[in-house]
Amino acid sequence: ETGVTQSPTHLIKTRGQQVTLRCSSQSGHNTVSWYQQALGQGPQFIFQYYREEENGRGNFPPRFSGLQFPNYSSELNVNALELDDSALYLCASSDTGTGTYEQYFGPGTRLTVT
Amino acid sequence: ELKVEQNPLFLSMQEGKNYTIYCNYSTTSDRLYWYRQDPGKSLESLFVLLSNGAVKQEGRLMASLDTKARLSTLHITAAVHDLSATYFCAVVGAHTGNQFYFGTGTSLTVIP
Repeated sequence: ETGVTQSPTHLIKTRGQQVTLRCSSQSGHNTVSWYQQALGQGPQFIFQYYREEENGRGNFPPRFSGLQFPNYSSELNVNALELDDSALYLCASSDTGTGTYEQYFGPGTRLTVT
Repeated sequence: ELKVEQNPLFLSMQEGKNYTIYCNYSTTSDRLYWYRQDPGKSLESLFVLLSNGAVKQEGRLMASLDTKARLSTLHITAAVHDLSATYFCAVVGAHTGNQFYFGTGTSLTVIP
């Protein structure tokens, strides 16, 4: 069973640029959630996708957007990058059929905005 | 917005000692999760607590949930160095869909 994978591992961007982060769900999982974790903080929920539809959104501006594909993989897009966007971005997948809604996290993408 | 507080934020303990990490949350929930994070790594699932009075144990760690008090505890028994990590609790509110709200984390250092 393949776990959650994310790419790239690290990324350096300049303020104002745009970035796309990618996530592959664990096999059999139909739900993907994205989190932003600033240094020394707990993860903050960005949004969740279930069967290609957004299924909940946290307190993030519209320049944070996402997609989920038919194979349940997902992208997180961030436009007009700001210095405060520097963080670890975590993707988590889950299977709503289990009833536990336990989320399994990928290794993360470390984004640095200069 | 659902608030999740953990204490202590930092914990330094000697090997062989016992200690408890507390997770308080601000609204009704019957689902609580504990995760471990090593420096520079992702989150590893430790426990899933789905009902009032739930207790789970794995090795030297035991987690419990009291939904009436809106409190979960993570108890560490006879700590060993390998338990050094940051521990997070995450709560799903009764009316917030499946959004996980994470606590601020407890950074645990076990000293030989």
